[in-house]
Amino acid sequence: RKEVEQDPGPFNVPEGATVAFNCTYSNSASQSFFWYRQDCRKEPKLLMSVYSSGNEDGRFTAQLNRASQYISLLIRDSKLSDSATYLCVVNTGNQFYFGTGTSLTVIP
Amino acid sequence: GAVVSQHPSRVICKSGTSVKIECRSLDFQATTMFWYRQFPKQSLMLMATSNEGSKATYEQGVEKDKFLINHASLTLSTLTVTSAHPEDSSFYICSAKRGQIYGYTFGSGTRLTVV
Repeated sequence: RKEVEQDPGPFNVPEGATVAFNCTYSNSASQSFFWYRQDCRKEPKLLMSVYSSGNEDGRFTAQLNRASQYISLLIRDSKLSDSATYLCVVNTGNQFYFGTGTSLTVIP
Repeated sequence: GAVVSQHPSRVICKSGTSVKIECRSLDFQATTMFWYRQFPKQSLMLMATSNEGSKATYEQGVEKDKFLINHASLTLSTLTVTSAHPEDSSFYICSAKRGQIYGYTFGSGTRLTVV
């Protein structure tokens, strides 16, 4: 079983829509969680950490559900510039595990 | 913020030659750096963990004699792809760990094309 699983999409949504991604992880001992954004042919960049209590940064909300072992990312009022691949990353022990990424395209 | 500089950003080489990729942490010391490979439409795959002053730890299936890693200082790790073949063509990214709560900081990546 993979350490981290993500729906690869693609998600094609109109501008202004709300879109949510989920990511499940297999190890209940995982300690910290992140969402990264990767633009085509570029390196991943940290979008936000995911805290147990949930956290929000502008139009982006991240949540952690330890009981069900998943993290989520909600994007409100989607912009064209949000088009990218979103990677969830889970830290377990001394290792960071990446999901395969979810592709988002925001359509005018 | 933390910056990791990776060079070159793009390289084309002939089959059978070797290519060196550098990864530098510019404003922090990184005792541990990581090397990833990413094929088109696939996720990042960890190749090896580079430890300053000691031997790198390679993931299963990664040939340590082919992908030479040197981490001679707290700010520099290098990956050398020896005797490159077309199947080694990929996007190679390094990253450095800044502690558990900061996640990774990534280099800008190197697109290697072997012809």
